[in-house]
Amino acid sequence: KQEVTQIPAALSVPEGENLVLNCSFTDSAIYNLQWFRQDPGKGLTSLLLIQSSQREQTSGRLNASLDKSSGRSTLYIAASQPGDSATYLCAVEIYNQGGKLIFGQGTELSVKP
Amino acid sequence: SAVISQKPSRDICQRGTSLTIQCQVDSQVTMMFWYRQQPGQSLTLIATANQGSEATYESGFVIDKFPISRPNLTFSTLTVSNMSPEDSSIYLCSVVAGGPYEQYFGPGTRLTVT
Repeated sequence: KQEVTQIPAALSVPEGENLVLNCSFTDSAIYNLQWFRQDPGKGLTSLLLIQSSQREQTSGRLNASLDKSSGRSTLYIAASQPGDSATYLCAVEIYNQGGKLIFGQGTELSVKP
Repeated sequence: SAVISQKPSRDICQRGTSLTIQCQVDSQVTMMFWYRQQPGQSLTLIATANQGSEATYESGFVIDKFPISRPNLTFSTLTVSNMSPEDSSIYLCSVVAGGPYEQYFGPGTRLTVT
């Protein structure tokens, strides 16, 4: 059974810091891995998707990496800003599961001005 | 990408009643899903909404409690039936759009059952 774990559960940093969020999964037979952002009481915003054949994806100040063999992904946020404060979720899509996503518990990020 | 809207955005309901949540997508999509996010928890898949056929439910979720309709490729409804306080959650629909199978989520429906 696929399990997704995110560490840390919460993180508070001063503005301008570079930071890394971690995601691990138990079954390497994944189709892709997706990082989302969720603001309080809101839906999810897709940040980055990494296909199983890829090693990393970049969008602006965000960089996500994937090491399928070790079951790990990281989300790197450069030069953090208060507007980055949100919960960050990673989710994996398993092969032959019809698009079903398995989510981690999320990392709640607070960036202080 | 896809733009998804949900109605209602939030509701407060009494125990024993039912609520139907609507999900509208701005483009035709094959794959549509319903997720639940209980307070302080992550998301759990309820079911896959299949166009023209019955939904496919995950373990722990049943059609009598969460009936789903999918009349066309842009619209779906989820009903939460005979509600209890344990059903208080955010309910989100999602779709797979574009390549390579990126999922997009609606804004969610925040349900409180009293």
